[in-house]
Amino acid sequence: GQNIDQPTEMTATEGAIVQINCTYQTSGFNGLFWYQQHAGEAPTFLSYNVLDGLEEKGRFSSFLSRSKGYSYLLLKELQMKDSASYLCAVRDGENSGAGSYQLTFGKGTKLSVIP
Amino acid sequence: DAGITQSPRYKITETGRQVTLMCHQTWSHSYMFWYRQDLGHGLRLIYYSAAADITDKGEVPDGYVVSRSKTENFPLTLESATRSQTSVYFCASTKRAGGTNEQFFGPGTRLTVL
Repeated sequence: GQNIDQPTEMTATEGAIVQINCTYQTSGFNGLFWYQQHAGEAPTFLSYNVLDGLEEKGRFSSFLSRSKGYSYLLLKELQMKDSASYLCAVRDGENSGAGSYQLTFGKGTKLSVIP
Repeated sequence: DAGITQSPRYKITETGRQVTLMCHQTWSHSYMFWYRQDLGHGLRLIYYSAAADITDKGEVPDGYVVSRSKTENFPLTLESATRSQTSVYFCASTKRAGGTNEQFFGPGTRLTVL
């Protein structure tokens, strides 16, 4: 089975740094994705990790440890517009064809940025 | 560049009615997916497709039917809508190979079943 856990809600102050954790237990592993979703909108792709380590993309960084089944998304210099839900998703890659591209999502972390 | 679109964006229907949600993408992506998003559950996969005429069940397929006669379209039909199918439905697509193969999501359809 697939199990992906992330905190339900977090609050942080504008200008600060926040780390959103994600732990996973999946039957296979072929990449971990982070998506951002503003209220009432579609999820949009933020980052992808398939190897251990840190991937940096501007103010956002994502880390992966495959042996620990753990990832985090780090947001620096928080801005009010970063208030959104952040979704962790794992691609297990064990099925064939389109099934290998299936994503299993966590329930999302709602981040509120306050002045 | 239209990308991926869904229609209608909002739909109210009654229990027992048939409803079809449309999804259209202009990238010629091979793979397409349907998700529903509910509070407390996150995004759950309903059906997916590898190409025209190739579809398969996801985590929560009961009560839904899909078809894919053309690569660019992937309609989702609720054969006899139930209140438990009130949800926000997202269509997504990704290309076959190369790069990260992230999924691109449509804007969603908010469906209410009375």
